[in-house]
Formats: sequence, C-alpha cells, structure tokens
Amino acid sequence: EAQVTQNPRYLITVTGKKLTVTCSQNMNHEYMSWYRQDPGLGLRQIYYSMNVEVTDKGDVPEGYKVSRKEKRNFPLILESPSPNQTSLYFCASRSFYGGEETQYFGPGTRLLVL
Amino acid sequence: GNSVTQMEGPVTLSEEAFLTINCTYTATGYPSLFWYVQYPGEGLQLLLKATKADDKGSNKGFEATYRKETTSFHLEKGSVQVSDSAVYFCALSKGGGFKTIFGAGTRLFVKA
Repeated sequence: EAQVTQNPRYLITVTGKKLTVTCSQNMNHEYMSWYRQDPGLGLRQIYYSMNVEVTDKGDVPEGYKVSRKEKRNFPLILESPSPNQTSLYFCASRSFYGGEETQYFGPGTRLLVL
Repeated sequence: GNSVTQMEGPVTLSEEAFLTINCTYTATGYPSLFWYVQYPGEGLQLLLKATKADDKGSNKGFEATYRKETTSFHLEKGSVQVSDSAVYFCALSKGGGFKTIFGAGTRLFVKA
C-alpha cells in the first residue's frame, strides 16, 4: 500500500529542546515536502526536497531544518523549538508523471511547545 | 505572487443539499489546480484536479471546472451526505514546479 508515514503523531515538548519528526514514503518519489497547518492560514510549505541531498526553503522555513540522505526519508528538525511552532505538521511526497502531479500526505504530527 | 482564496466557513448544509465552495486564484501562466479533503484527524487526500483551462475534475460526485477567464475553480456537489463533512482545501501548483499554494480551507458540516 502506497503511504507516507510520520512519527510521532503527537508530541508535547518544552522551549529549546531539540526534536525531530520523521517522515518516510514507500513510493520511490523524488519530491517530498513539509507543511504546517494553522487555523485560518491553510497549509504553508516549510521546506521541500527535489531529490537526495537537494533541499530548498518553502514559505516559512525559519526555525526548521531538514535533511534528505535517502530517497524515502525526509526528517524535519526543530533545533530550538519555540511556542510559535506549535502547529499541525504534514509531510507529503509527490509524483509527477506525464505532466500530472499527485501529492500524498502523511497523517500529521500535532506538536505543542510549552 | 501566487495565491489562492476560498470562501470562509464553516458551511452548514442539510443532507442532499447542493454544495458550492468558491475558490479563486492568482498566478502567472497556467497552474494546475486541486481540491483536497481533510477528514477529522487525518491528513489531506487529493479529491480532484485539473491541469488546463476548461478541464473538469471529478471524483466521488464532486466536480470543479478550471475557468481561466474568471481565475476560478469552484467545488460543487449535487447532493451532499453526512460523510462529506470535512475541511476542503483549494490549491495550485505551477506544473513541474516545487511549490504548492493552499487556500485557508473551508469546513463543511452536513446535518442528517
């Protein structure tokens, strides 16, 4: 079954304590992305990756890091979390074939930073 | 820059009512347009898409037509069900590009 998995699904942490949210896809997609979802703002792209070792900033990259050492994994790293990073986070991978794209989303990670 | 505007919710309808959720966009060139649906506690799922002007995307009774002249991609369904209760997101991407722009989302409640 084609899927994107994220872990953990729920996380409560304190300001300044480094954390990593993992993301993995089993569809051999080159393109992966991280979004955050906040009420009234929809989804905003944090970072994206076009392939292994190739990443770039999205619209709201401040306070986040990513890495892409393997095609299937795209972890999101918060080096020093702050309360304004409390949000719902989604990882996604995308296929682009024959001029058409399809984006697959993970189940989400709800993060609370105290 | 590129942007997507969709009608504010929540939208509350009775079962079997007609649904329209408005979506307009601003973009240069010819973006691809999408509707995603998010059920409670889940991630987004692609509902339908259209890649060029006058295309109609359809799925599960939902339809949307890519109208370049009005820069719109309104979502419609002729008869909603309670199970359609969810948040609906309109989105665009520049074909082959790496950024997807989402609208703020519209929450739909369908009453039995």
